[in-house]
Order: sequence, then C-alpha cells, then structure tokens
Amino acid sequence: SQQGEEDPQALSIQEGENATMNCSYKTSINNLQWYRQNSGRGLVHLILIRSNEREKHSGRLRVTLDTSKKSSSLLITASRAADTASYFCATVLTGGGNKLTFGTGTQLKVEL
Amino acid sequence: GAGVSQSPSNKVTEKGKDVELRCDPISGHTALYWYRQSLGQGLEFLIYFQGNSAPDKSGLPSDRFSAERTGGSVSTLTIQRTQQEDSAVYLCASSLGPTVSGNTIYFGEGSWLTVV
Repeated sequence: SQQGEEDPQALSIQEGENATMNCSYKTSINNLQWYRQNSGRGLVHLILIRSNEREKHSGRLRVTLDTSKKSSSLLITASRAADTASYFCATVLTGGGNKLTFGTGTQLKVEL
Repeated sequence: GAGVSQSPSNKVTEKGKDVELRCDPISGHTALYWYRQSLGQGLEFLIYFQGNSAPDKSGLPSDRFSAERTGGSVSTLTIQRTQQEDSAVYLCASSLGPTVSGNTIYFGEGSWLTVV
C-alpha cells in the first residue's frame, strides 16, 4: 500500500474558501514534502517540513506534522481558481535513502 | 540551465521497440531522480543518482529498464522491448544535494510515453 495516502481524493470548493488536505504515512520519516501538479505534468515543490517540526508557513500555505499520528495536513487559505491542481505529499523515510515516496494525491478544484 | 530539461516531451512507440528518454538536470545539482506516473496515479520511484556513488536502482520494475548518468550531469533512461504497461509520464528531477538533508527537489515537465 502507499506510504503516503491523501485524504480526500478530490475536493471542490468556492474561491475564497480554505482548502485542507490530509496525508497519512506508515513508517518513520526524515521529512515530509508537499507538491503541486498541474495537468499531469511537472511537479512544483511547495513546502518541506522536517520530522522535528510541527508547523510551517509559506504565504497562503500552512503545513502541520504530527509524527505521533503519522499524519500531515496542508491548508490553503483564501483559495483562488489558480490553485486548482493535484496536491501530493511525499515522505523521505528514515534510513530509506534519498528517494521520495509519494501518495496518490488530492485533486483540488476551486470554482469561481 | 534554468530548470530540469527533459526530451522528448512526447514519444509514441510500437510495442517491442526500445526508447531512450533524456534528462538534463539543473547545473550543479549532484542528485538526480527518475520517477514515473501512470494516468491518474501517484509517482513511482525508479532510480536515484548521487554524485559518483552507486545509484539506487531499487525502483526499476524490470531488467528492461536501465539508466545511466554521464559525467555527473545528463541522464538517460532506457526502456528495452517496450510493453503497453510502460505507457506513462516519466519525470526527472534534480536537487543540489540529498533530499534527506532538506534540499528541494526540482522536477522537469516529463516525457509522455505511449506504447501502441
């Protein structure tokens, strides 16, 4: 099964609302990263949170990490139509080398 | 270069043919990764290169898949005797150093492979 599993699989909201996506993982991690993908092509790195951090902010993005629950959340505040994309969490496993293990993603649609 | 460059952008090939996909990482990046993504799916790790170290090939799905990185820069992913299930977007990425150290990974736009 996937190391990272996002919830929900799909999310549809109105512009201006907040969007929250969750990611759960199974094994100990070094860090967790969130990526955005438009139209099934290249991924864009959004934010990285280390295992000893609990919360990070970047612009309208807020990421939390709860290592006791093996979960992370990505909050996008005041969403815009341009935020429509797929969002993936990816983990760097402790002792797993330098590869990222990706979840299956959340498809976010922000409607005008 | 300004970003990770991949070629070709799209490739249609006949089943049984060999294909080569090229990746030109960001200049100075020591780490290079190959992933593939099937339609509507997450990314599947294939192979990772770090400097002059032996690559991590643990994600290659079969011996039909191979990759090399020449001179610590450009990488080529080769798929021999392609099969229909090889159809996917092949994404290359690079980072200044190991991502375990917190280095950001930058992805290319991918090479869309269709095997007919």
